[in-house]
Amino acid sequence: DVKVTQSSRYLVKRTGEKVFLECVQDMDHENMFWYRQDPGLGLRLIYFSYDVKMKEKGDIPEGYSVSREKKERFSLILESASTNQTSMYLCASSLAPRGLYNSPLHFGNGTRLTVT
Amino acid sequence: AQSVTQPDIHITVSEGASLELRCNYSYGATPYLFWYVQSPGQGLQLLLKYFSGDTLVQGIKGFEAEFKRSQSSFNLRKPSVHWSDAAEYFCAVVLNGSGGSNYKLTFGKGTLLTVNP
Repeated sequence: DVKVTQSSRYLVKRTGEKVFLECVQDMDHENMFWYRQDPGLGLRLIYFSYDVKMKEKGDIPEGYSVSREKKERFSLILESASTNQTSMYLCASSLAPRGLYNSPLHFGNGTRLTVT
Repeated sequence: AQSVTQPDIHITVSEGASLELRCNYSYGATPYLFWYVQSPGQGLQLLLKYFSGDTLVQGIKGFEAEFKRSQSSFNLRKPSVHWSDAAEYFCAVVLNGSGGSNYKLTFGKGTLLTVNP
């Protein structure tokens, strides 16, 4: 089974802090994604990556950046955390190489981030 | 713009009753279609997917979904609901043939299912 591991289940940070959310997958997947999930808004794509050192903006990239130095690891960075970034963050990966989009996403269990 | 609509925010059914969760999408062409389930405190798990062929697809946990092109719908069904099916269900769509930096899997806002004993 594919395993997508998010390093923290719960995280509490202060406004203005730099925050790192880490995600690791163990199945050599090309694609990795960061979503945030908020009640009534569903899942919204922040950033995704289809290869090492490659990244693409999703629907709501403002206030976030990402890093993919190794294929198995995709990090989400909040440069200066704000209270409106309090949310559930979900990492996902998929096998399909760029150009083929028929592979489902495998999700981690999420990181619930609270910014105070 | 592409969109996915799940009209029901919250549905309550009794254990053993049948279930149908609705999903509609707006695209010009037939997209790839997915249903995911999220149990409390968990990430999302794929229930089933439709790419082409038979419009009735079977998934895990006894779920099925039917693609109806004329209605732009992909409704999820289960003939007899179990208490363990209580969860949030998400329909998702990606445009068939989209590629490169335009690839995006669009999720509906979810339907929360409550199962009464």
